[in-house]
Amino acid sequence: DAKTTQPPSMDCAEGRAANLPCNHSTISGNEYVYWYRQIHSQGPQYIIHGLKNNETNEMASLIITEDRKSSTLILPHATLRDTAVYYCIVRVRYGGSQGNLIFGKGTKLSVKP
Amino acid sequence: DTGVSQDPRHKITKRGQNVTFRCDPISEHNRLYWYRQTLGQGPEFLTYFQNEAQLEKSRLLSDRFSAERPKGSFSTLEIQRTEQGDSAMYLCASRPNPGLGFTDTQYFGPGTRLTVL
Repeated sequence: DAKTTQPPSMDCAEGRAANLPCNHSTISGNEYVYWYRQIHSQGPQYIIHGLKNNETNEMASLIITEDRKSSTLILPHATLRDTAVYYCIVRVRYGGSQGNLIFGKGTKLSVKP
Repeated sequence: DTGVSQDPRHKITKRGQNVTFRCDPISEHNRLYWYRQTLGQGPEFLTYFQNEAQLEKSRLLSDRFSAERPKGSFSTLEIQRTEQGDSAMYLCASRPNPGLGFTDTQYFGPGTRLTVL
């Protein structure tokens, strides 16, 4: 599975959009980009995933560059409850070592009032 | 609530003692994972079950660790002769068999925090 690079921390004002970048320059053609987040003292929570098209769900939007070497997770209106560590993971969908996730250190997002 | 549950949530033990953790996955999920997370790090994969079969073990899973999933339902993770380095959060996750209509999203439990004194 490809390696990802994320900034260790970011701040965001409550109510503003939070844009979390991720670099995955060695991503393969069959690898998807997944985002999970982990709120303090809880297990990770799935947010969104995509292959090459931009994706949106009720939690967030995922923008993937045309060359697929980087992506941005967007939380359109961040709230205090979005304070968490956000993990960007690239992997083959359904496969890759029985499907286990390989986490980096992620980005600690702090949403401030 | 039909999410993944783990028991206990917290465990404090003395070095050299044995501990056992339990994970109850979402009922229709046949795939189950154990991860370990130390402070400031992302979760690290330990082992994987498909139904009752343990199909993969990380090199992190030393011979003091053993995991089981009898009958393909709940799973247990046992650590024998605990060491201070075993102090961590132990996370369990489950996901359904891939197929039409299913995603490969993993659903995590709240974890068991182990402290070895």
